[in-house]
Amino acid sequence: EAGVAQSPRYKIIEKRQSVAFWCNPISGHATLYWYQQILGQGPKLLIQFQNNGVVDDSQLPKDRFSAERLKGVDSTLKIQPAKLEDSAVYLCASSPPRTNTGELFFGEGSRLTVL
Amino acid sequence: RKEVEQDPGPFNVPEGATVAFNCTYSNSASQSFFWYRQDCRKEPKLLMSVYSSGNEDGRFTAQLNRASQYISLLIRDSKLSDSATYLCVVKGGGYQKVTFGIGTKLQVIP
Repeated sequence: EAGVAQSPRYKIIEKRQSVAFWCNPISGHATLYWYQQILGQGPKLLIQFQNNGVVDDSQLPKDRFSAERLKGVDSTLKIQPAKLEDSAVYLCASSPPRTNTGELFFGEGSRLTVL
Repeated sequence: RKEVEQDPGPFNVPEGATVAFNCTYSNSASQSFFWYRQDCRKEPKLLMSVYSSGNEDGRFTAQLNRASQYISLLIRDSKLSDSATYLCVVKGGGYQKVTFGIGTKLQVIP
């Protein structure tokens, strides 16, 4: 079974530039998450989708970050304009519907460096 | 107060030692609890779920105390390969939000 796919794996940009990350979850997984993990910290939830609807984006800096999951499958996370403090790994995860284990399946992440 | 609190460590222990990690959570309505493992520059992966009755998987034992809102992970007979960051994870709330702690770094020394 294919895992969660993310791209690009690495991105280096200047501050004030824009960047977009793509995620394709495991087939059939209804819930998709974007987490931001800054070095030395735990993953912080940015946004959670259930199918193509947003269920939690309370920690998403909406002045610069946006995310969509138009057809309830793959998702894009955009940052515009980027700041130095956005340097982090952006992790996409998915989980199947009605899971009892609560297991999230993560992609390998997209590592962003803002100079 | 943070939703999930952990001691970031690092915990440096010799091979064969027993080590315990603790975690507290603030939302009494939380429903599910987990430990994830994250290797350096890798993504988090589920280590085990945590139940009030306690559960064991080989050298790993997890325990939940709902009254104290406290979760623990015990690793017996530590191996070099156990070196990683252990993330305490809590799930619950209206949208089944999944919240991670900062992680506890373990380094097992030969």
